[in-house]
Amino acid sequence: ETGVTQTPRHLVMGMTNKKSLKCEQHLGHNAMYWYKQSAKKPLELMFVYSLEERVENNSVPSRFSPECPNSSHLFLHLHTLQPEDSALYLCASSQGIAGGKYNEQFFGPGTRLTVL
Amino acid sequence: AQTVTQSQPEMSVQEAETVTLSCTYDTSESDYYLFWYKQPPSRQMILVIRQEAYKQQNATENRFSVNFQKAAKSFSLKISDSQLGDAAMYFCAYRSFYSPTSGSARQLTFGSGTQLTVLP
Repeated sequence: ETGVTQTPRHLVMGMTNKKSLKCEQHLGHNAMYWYKQSAKKPLELMFVYSLEERVENNSVPSRFSPECPNSSHLFLHLHTLQPEDSALYLCASSQGIAGGKYNEQFFGPGTRLTVL
Repeated sequence: AQTVTQSQPEMSVQEAETVTLSCTYDTSESDYYLFWYKQPPSRQMILVIRQEAYKQQNATENRFSVNFQKAAKSFSLKISDSQLGDAAMYFCAYRSFYSPTSGSARQLTFGSGTQLTVLP
């Protein structure tokens, strides 16, 4: 596997379910990101992790819980979601978190989440 | 806060022709980066081209080039010799240059996207 991978690619869940999204990067990066992409809206940054420490949380509801056990893996734990949480969830990684030239973000293919 | 605007929700181009996608942004910063990302139906977001604001020369990557007008805060993408594989959603994005204390340097601010259709 190369680049950034995400599993599952598609997920359908009820409002009372608990599920997790997984992201893995094979690029040797030390920063990882979760984005939400809803229809007709720009991508929204949810969380940023640098060296396994959460450095940014963009006012995301607590029903979304991120976890970064090491610099290669990032999880998004989901519980008691709402139908409006249905979206494409994209993971990205970069070499660092500063806005430098070599800190471009590389994206995974996304998980299409549907909440019934 | 920075904002990125893509005023063309949809565009189409004939195969082998040239198309230009528009992007404007609003910022008070003098140093920053601008990007064009492509998102095909597979949903994988792919970096197409990037531009450093301190460089006057427009970036070029094969058939893709930009027209960067810093004073006008405009960053358009030109695709030459369009191919069927170029069909995708294209996003313009902004990122601050560097700030050890500000979270804005960590964040890509995206426009709402332009859906490009390539006609055979």
